[in-house]
Amino acid sequence: AQKITQTQPGMFVQEKEAVTLDCTYDTSDQSYGLFWYKQPSSGEMIFLIYQGSYDEQNATEGRYSLNFQKARKSANLVISASQLGDSAMYFCAFLQGMKTSYDKVIFGPGTSLSVIP
Amino acid sequence: EPEVTQTPSHQVTQMGQEVILRCVPISNHLYFYWYRQILGQKVEFLVSFYNNEISEKSEIFDDQFSVERPDGSNFTLKIRSTKLEDSAMYFCASSTGGRPEAFFGQGTRLTVV
Repeated sequence: AQKITQTQPGMFVQEKEAVTLDCTYDTSDQSYGLFWYKQPSSGEMIFLIYQGSYDEQNATEGRYSLNFQKARKSANLVISASQLGDSAMYFCAFLQGMKTSYDKVIFGPGTSLSVIP
Repeated sequence: EPEVTQTPSHQVTQMGQEVILRCVPISNHLYFYWYRQILGQKVEFLVSFYNNEISEKSEIFDDQFSVERPDGSNFTLKIRSTKLEDSAMYFCASSTGGRPEAFFGQGTRLTVV
């Protein structure tokens, strides 16, 4: 069974600095996808970035980039130039298969990020 | 910007009562989902719905749960006889099917007393 690990329960970063949130996964599938979602204290889940297992380039979306190392089965989220509004819970999630539907998505336990002024 | 809308934002119900959680997905989306998040725990997949039928469901989604898309815009989750352990944040999500990411609503916090 697939498993997602986020080893950092809590992280602190100085405003304007970059931060890396770790995510590793365990799968024997060749075809899969990885997501990162942000959950602020207000509770909503905000999609940040997606990486497909066959994507040759690392995904980037504005200040977010995904450091995808397929052989190491890691998909770390890098946030550049942290802002106070980045303080939130961050979830890594694994999508089994390359179906376009969102079935069988497994979420990791999350990392709580606090940005310090 | 289109968004997924959930109502109510918070519902308190007595154990054994039926609850219906409502969602309006983004209008051109084809896939609909329910997830739940027990306080302090990870987000768990409950069910996905496509073409007016359930496409996948998890072991959590037992006979007490049902979903419906009654009128082409709303997507509902019904819990027939609530238990204390059903207390959680319930998220509705939708996706186009053309791209893998789903967009979540703001959640309904269900408290069973």
